[in-house]
Amino acid sequence: QQPVQSPQAVILREGEDAVINCSSSKALYSVHWYRQKHGEAPVFLMILLKGGEQKGHDKISASFNEKKQQSSLYLTASQLSYSGTYFCGTEIANDYKLSFGAGTTVTVRA
Amino acid sequence: EAGVAQSPRYKIIEKRQSVAFWCNPISGHATLYWYQQILGQGPKLLIQFQNNGVVDDSQLPKDRFSAERLKGVDSTLKIQPAKLEDSAVYLCASSSGQIYYNEQFFGPGTRLTVL
Repeated sequence: QQPVQSPQAVILREGEDAVINCSSSKALYSVHWYRQKHGEAPVFLMILLKGGEQKGHDKISASFNEKKQQSSLYLTASQLSYSGTYFCGTEIANDYKLSFGAGTTVTVRA
Repeated sequence: EAGVAQSPRYKIIEKRQSVAFWCNPISGHATLYWYQQILGQGPKLLIQFQNNGVVDDSQLPKDRFSAERLKGVDSTLKIQPAKLEDSAVYLCASSSGQIYYNEQFFGPGTRLTVL
C-alpha cells in the first residue's frame, strides 16, 4: 500500500522548477505532502482531497488526479530553503491509515 | 503554541534491552500517532490513538512493542526486548479535530541505536 514516489532525488539551481510524483495502486481518498530537512521532523505542506483539487503553498503547489491515483508536487522558481526530502502520505479509500512514500530528496544550489 | 514534545532525543542500547519513549502532543489534539522512520525511508505508522483509544495498531510488532496513552494526553512507546532492526527514529505526531483530514504535527523524534 506504500505509494511510489519519483524521482528519488533531484538537484536544482535556484530559480529552476521541479515536479515530484506520487502514485498509488489503490484508490486514494486524500494525499498529504510533507517536507523533512536533515535531522528535523517532517513539516506539513498541504492536503489534497479526492476531487482533483489543486492547492498551493507559497510557490509550491500540488494536484491530485483521482482517475490516475496520482498526485504531483510542483516546486516553482525554487529557493535554497526548498532543499529537503519531500514525502507524500496517502489515505486509501476505506483504509484511513496514512502510508508514506520513500521520499524525494531535493537539493537546491545557488 | 508549543509543539509536540518527545524525549529522550537520543538513546543507545544493547540488543535485548528495554527502552521507552515519551510524547506530549499539542494541547487539545485528540489524535496521536507513533511512527518508525528507518534511515532513507518514509515514516511507517506503528499506532494511532484517538483520545485514549487505539484506532489502528495493525503494524505494531506486538510481541515486543507496546504503547499507551493515559488520560488521552501523553503517550509512551516501549520496546522490550530490542532488536538490531529496531534502530530508527521514532516520531510522534498529533492532529486535532477530525481524524483523517487534518495536518499532522510531528515532534523532533527519538533516534534509537541498538548495538
